[in-house]
Amino acid sequence: EAQVTQNPRYLITVTGKKLTVTCSQNMNHEYMSWYRQDPGLGLRQIYYSMNVEVTDKGDVPEGYKVSRKEKRNFPLILESPSPNQTSLYFCASSSTPGEGNTEAFFGQGTRLTVV
Amino acid sequence: GNSVTQMEGPVTLSEEAFLTINCTYTATGYPSLFWYVQYPGEGLQLLLKATKADDKGSNKGFEATYRKETTSFHLEKGSVQVSDSAVYFCALSDDGNTDKLIFGTGTRLQVFP
Repeated sequence: EAQVTQNPRYLITVTGKKLTVTCSQNMNHEYMSWYRQDPGLGLRQIYYSMNVEVTDKGDVPEGYKVSRKEKRNFPLILESPSPNQTSLYFCASSSTPGEGNTEAFFGQGTRLTVV
Repeated sequence: GNSVTQMEGPVTLSEEAFLTINCTYTATGYPSLFWYVQYPGEGLQLLLKATKADDKGSNKGFEATYRKETTSFHLEKGSVQVSDSAVYFCALSDDGNTDKLIFGTGTRLQVFP
């Protein structure tokens, strides 16, 4: 089954404690990205990756890091989480970067609370 | 920059009612337009899309037409079901060189029997 898998689904952590949210896709997609979803703001892109070892900032990258060492995995790293990073996070992948009309596949989301 | 504006929710309807969720956009160039749906506890999934002016996307009884003259992509369904209760997001492709999507704020639809 084609899917994007995120872990964990729920996470409560304390300010300053480094954490990683994993994302893996089994569709051999080149393009992967991370979004955060906040009430009244919709989804905003944090970082994206066009392919292995190629990553770039989205609209709200501050406080986040990513890496793309393998095609299937795209972890999101919060080196020092703060309460304003409390949000619902989605990983997404799609097959053909550059065409602008391909379907994006989303993970089930990770609800992060930073206290 | 490019942006998407959706009508505020929640939209509350009785089963078999007609649905319209308004979406307008601001963009340079000719972006593709999408509707994504988010069911409770799940990620977003593509509902329909349109890639050029006057295209109509359709799926599961939902339809939306890419109107360049009014910069709109309104979602419609003739007869909603309880199972259509979800959050609906209008989105556009922001950059022809990547697959970045710009989303609206989402509209929650609640359908009652």
